[in-house]
Amino acid sequence: QQPVQSPQAVILREGEDAVINCSSSKALYSVHWYRQKHGEAPVFLMILLKGGEQKGHEKISASFNEKKQQSSLYLTASQLSYSGTYFCGPEGSRWWVIGSNYKLTFGKGTLLTVNP
Amino acid sequence: GAGVSQSPSNKVTEKGKDVELRCDPISGHTALYWYRQRLGQGLEFLIYFQGNSAPDKSGLPSDRFSAERTGESVSTLTIQRTQQEDSAVYLCASSSGDRRYSPLHFGNGTRLTVT
Repeated sequence: QQPVQSPQAVILREGEDAVINCSSSKALYSVHWYRQKHGEAPVFLMILLKGGEQKGHEKISASFNEKKQQSSLYLTASQLSYSGTYFCGPEGSRWWVIGSNYKLTFGKGTLLTVNP
Repeated sequence: GAGVSQSPSNKVTEKGKDVELRCDPISGHTALYWYRQRLGQGLEFLIYFQGNSAPDKSGLPSDRFSAERTGESVSTLTIQRTQQEDSAVYLCASSSGDRRYSPLHFGNGTRLTVT
């Protein structure tokens, strides 16, 4: 099942904050976040693990709500370079089985535009 | 080090022809993914290879689509009898086996145009 992202689009002025949400229909163990600029490949931002451990971008943080099966990405003091489409990819609890056929399915994305 | 390499970067083909898209993952990455991205749309999962396990083909849209991977190296996505709705950017990504700390590394994609 495809995760649901909200909002679909958001427009900010430089320096403003934004929150992007990602909801899954399955129990979460971790969530991947990626950003894609127009005409480019998606680029890794963060992996958020159950328990709050994060690996990724210095200026972007995220939260993990296991009960709500939801993750949120927090973009503070946004910069022009933050513009792009943000994708989340939640993972369930079977990830650790090496060799398991567990794909990573992404949401439809959130288009973030940061204006001067 | 070298990233994920995809070729060709652009492919224009006539409706009904077959096409092959190639992906060279990062050396040592056991997992390889193919995604399709239509213009202005999200990332649509197609197929997933993990080591020597049977691939997860659940995202392939029809039997015209197939993919192979040789061990833990090159992968080829083949589309037979192409249709105009196959026009999209096809992205390949690879990652190491430990998904807790292993992000996907995407290639720049192959832009396929079916005329």
